[in-house]
Amino acid sequence: DQQVKQNSPSLSVQEGRISILNCDYTNSMFDYFLWYKKYPAEGPTFLISISSIKDKNEDGRFTVFLNKSAKHLSLHIVPSQPGDSAVYFCAASLLGPMYSGGGADGLTFGKGTHLIIQP
Amino acid sequence: DVKVTQSSRYLVKRTGEKVFLECVQDMDHENMFWYRQDPGLGLRLIYFSYDVKMKEKGDIPEGYSVSREKKERFSLILESASTNQTSMYLCASRSHRGNNYEQYFGPGTRLTVT
Repeated sequence: DQQVKQNSPSLSVQEGRISILNCDYTNSMFDYFLWYKKYPAEGPTFLISISSIKDKNEDGRFTVFLNKSAKHLSLHIVPSQPGDSAVYFCAASLLGPMYSGGGADGLTFGKGTHLIIQP
Repeated sequence: DVKVTQSSRYLVKRTGEKVFLECVQDMDHENMFWYRQDPGLGLRLIYFSYDVKMKEKGDIPEGYSVSREKKERFSLILESASTNQTSMYLCASRSHRGNNYEQYFGPGTRLTVT
């Protein structure tokens, strides 16, 4: 059973507009969320993260919103640029930054959304 | 900058061969991970290690084993490769110190088993 869901396999957005990528999760024990970006033939690179104690985190053109009651998070990219065309993965962790035990559980990833920025 | 390297970008192996995928990180990270990425399935965790000689099964460990003899190196072993192990393999590392759970990924190894 998939615990992290990205229901849109692909999304096409015009350059300069806002891109909104969505992610839903089912496990209420997840308390830390991350977004990764992946180009073909490269490893994923970290974009932005959010702890469950927050509802918004912003870094330049990227903002992540978390709605815990709905178990939903979204990544906003404003304005969208051609270099943003990539696959975006939402990931969740059971052991957030408040945990001091050094647990190494892997991240649970969604299936990814392929974002295409149209010129 | 954190650097995670993987021994090969592309590999082609025959069914039944023993395959070694090597991963090295240079940031003295305690935790290391092996994932595989398949179209429509995202990234799935195979094994992880939280210290030298320590290992834990992830979500899909069947058909794989791992070795961590040194802190900087984490190896994934396919004892007898099968065609359903054709995939992109990604290694990652992470420090358990600090306030984030960011994992740093290597460039990946595209393995084809024929």
